[in-house]
Amino acid sequence: QQQVKQSPQSLIVQKGGISIINCAYENTAFDYFPWYQQFPGKGPALLIAIRPDVSEKKEGRFTISFNKSAKQFSLHIMDSQPGDSATYFCAASRLFQGAQKLVFGQGTRLTINP
Amino acid sequence: EAQVTQNPRYLITVTGKKLTVTCSQNMNHEYMSWYRQDPGLGLRQIYYSMNVEVTDKGDVPEGYKVSRKEKRNFPLILESPSPNQTSLYFCASSSVDKSSYEQYFGPGTRLTVT
Repeated sequence: QQQVKQSPQSLIVQKGGISIINCAYENTAFDYFPWYQQFPGKGPALLIAIRPDVSEKKEGRFTISFNKSAKQFSLHIMDSQPGDSATYFCAASRLFQGAQKLVFGQGTRLTINP
Repeated sequence: EAQVTQNPRYLITVTGKKLTVTCSQNMNHEYMSWYRQDPGLGLRQIYYSMNVEVTDKGDVPEGYKVSRKEKRNFPLILESPSPNQTSLYFCASSSVDKSSYEQYFGPGTRLTVT
């Protein structure tokens, strides 16, 4: 059972456009929602994260929008650049036996065309 | 440089031949974890460890073993690999400090079992 559902699986955006990736979760115990970025041949790296008590967080061209009532959150990449081409994973985290347990979405392969 | 290292990066083996993938971190993190990444399934947790000599199953532990004899090392052991364990494996570490939920990932180990 996939606790975090991510869409789309792949996305192609023109340079300068807006990339939008969506995620939905089921467990209301989740209390931290990070996005990880993964380049080919590399491990995932934290990009941006949000807690459920805020509806939006912005860091540069990257914004997370969070809808607690709908149990959905999304990543928006403004002015998308070829260097943003990567696989993006949303995740949800909750405290489990003293540590934060991450549950990941299926991933989205983003391609930015120059 | 703060990092998580894994070895080997690539491994091709045959069914039933025991193998070990090593993982080491230099950030003095208490929490370490192993994930496997498969297309369309995202990253799924195999095992995790809260500290030395404390390990527990993740979401997909069947066919794997781990040990945590030292704080910095967390090897993944496949006693009798099977083709369905062909995957991309990531080790990750994090602090258990509740103010810091970021997990740091290694570069990955691509395993092929024939």
